[in-house]
Amino acid sequence: KAGVTQTPRYLIKTRGQQVTLSCSPISGHRSVSWYQQTPGQGLQFLFEYFSETQRNKGNFPGRFSGRQFSNSRSEMNVSTLELGDSALYLCASRLTPSGRTSNEQFFGPGTRLTVL
Amino acid sequence: GDSVTQMEGPVTLSEEAFLTINCTYTATGYPSLFWYVQYPGEGLQLLLKATKADDKGSNKGFEATYRKETTSFHLEKGSVQVSDSAVYFCALIPDSWGKLQFGAGTQVVVTP
Repeated sequence: KAGVTQTPRYLIKTRGQQVTLSCSPISGHRSVSWYQQTPGQGLQFLFEYFSETQRNKGNFPGRFSGRQFSNSRSEMNVSTLELGDSALYLCASRLTPSGRTSNEQFFGPGTRLTVL
Repeated sequence: GDSVTQMEGPVTLSEEAFLTINCTYTATGYPSLFWYVQYPGEGLQLLLKATKADDKGSNKGFEATYRKETTSFHLEKGSVQVSDSAVYFCALIPDSWGKLQFGAGTQVVVTP
């Protein structure tokens, strides 16, 4: 079974631009979460989607948004990029967001975003 | 709120040495606990998990036991290899629709 895939793997953007990252979950997984990883802040939760609805949200400004499609694929968008948005963006999928037997999350390789 | 605290790195070891990475947590209810590993340039890989008190998770020679009385989930490996060099993250999901709460990560460097 294929793992979580993320595209693109690397991106370079300039301040003020916007960017869209894509994530395809493991087949059969219906929940997708996004995390930002930086050396200073570590791993921080952005949001989680399940059945095309945002179920959980972290403490990020409104410039960060996401969506999920009917096939469970997800995209996240960052508008008006700032230098501080440079990070590794990780996507994770799981079967469902609740229940102890299926709550482990499986991560993709990440998208490395550099903002110049 | 929920939080995870793990020992700071880097931890430098010789091959075949014993590894322990301490992890303690704060959470209401009964969280599920995880260890993830991140190799250079890669995403996170689930190493092991435990969902209730006294559960022992194990994988690839690594073990961790869910200790509710001490709110701990320490990671151990009896004999490390150079290929175990990575960053290890302790994490929890609370007993609800919850997000993964990560510790800061511990870098482990194993030398030949």
